[in-house]
Amino acid sequence: EAGVTQFPSHSVIEKGQTVTLRCDPISGHDNLYWYRRVMGKEIKFLLHFVKESKQDESGMPNNRFLAERTGGTYSTLKVQPAELEDSGVYFCASSQESAGVQPYGYTFGSGTRLTVV
Amino acid sequence: AQKITQTQPGMFVQEKEAVTLDCTYDTSDQSYGLFWYKQPSSGEMIFLIYQGSYDEQNATEGRYSLNFQKARKSANLVISASQLGDSAMYFCAMREGKSNFGNEKLTFGTGTRLTIIP
Repeated sequence: EAGVTQFPSHSVIEKGQTVTLRCDPISGHDNLYWYRRVMGKEIKFLLHFVKESKQDESGMPNNRFLAERTGGTYSTLKVQPAELEDSGVYFCASSQESAGVQPYGYTFGSGTRLTVV
Repeated sequence: AQKITQTQPGMFVQEKEAVTLDCTYDTSDQSYGLFWYKQPSSGEMIFLIYQGSYDEQNATEGRYSLNFQKARKSANLVISASQLGDSAMYFCAMREGKSNFGNEKLTFGTGTRLTIIP
């Protein structure tokens, strides 16, 4: 099966611009997560979708970040306007919620490296 | 609140030697899961090993084993017979334990950069 796909792999934008990151989860995975790693720090949870609904968005830094998952398939994470501190690597992960699935069912994408200059 | 601590920002190990990467955790949950991920320079996060809080045996996956000491709240990763391809960032993570179905967020540590020396 295809893995979790993220694009772009890299993005360099100027402060104040808008950037949209995309994540295509594994087909059939209801759960989709966004995480972010700022240089030298831990990977932090941003939010969790179950299908098209936001299950938990407690990690979203502020209202400049908007995540959507229309139709419960792919997800986008928009940063508008971008600030310098938004630089980091944004990871997406997906998992399937069903009985019998092994507990280590999270599959991560390769991440999008965002640089705001 | 959950917390994962990885105290080794970087490690250098001679090829073929065993290496232990430290991870301690803090949680008030009785049921939880612990993960180790590898992130090579290519960027993807590769799952290595999982340990459930109620598992009595230490998890093993090939050259990887997890030294789980519940009373000390530690979950160290042991890599036996290290190889050059093991050079990467390694992250310890914990899942809050409501179910085993992979639908809870993970809390990560800051990672350890492992470099294997030929």
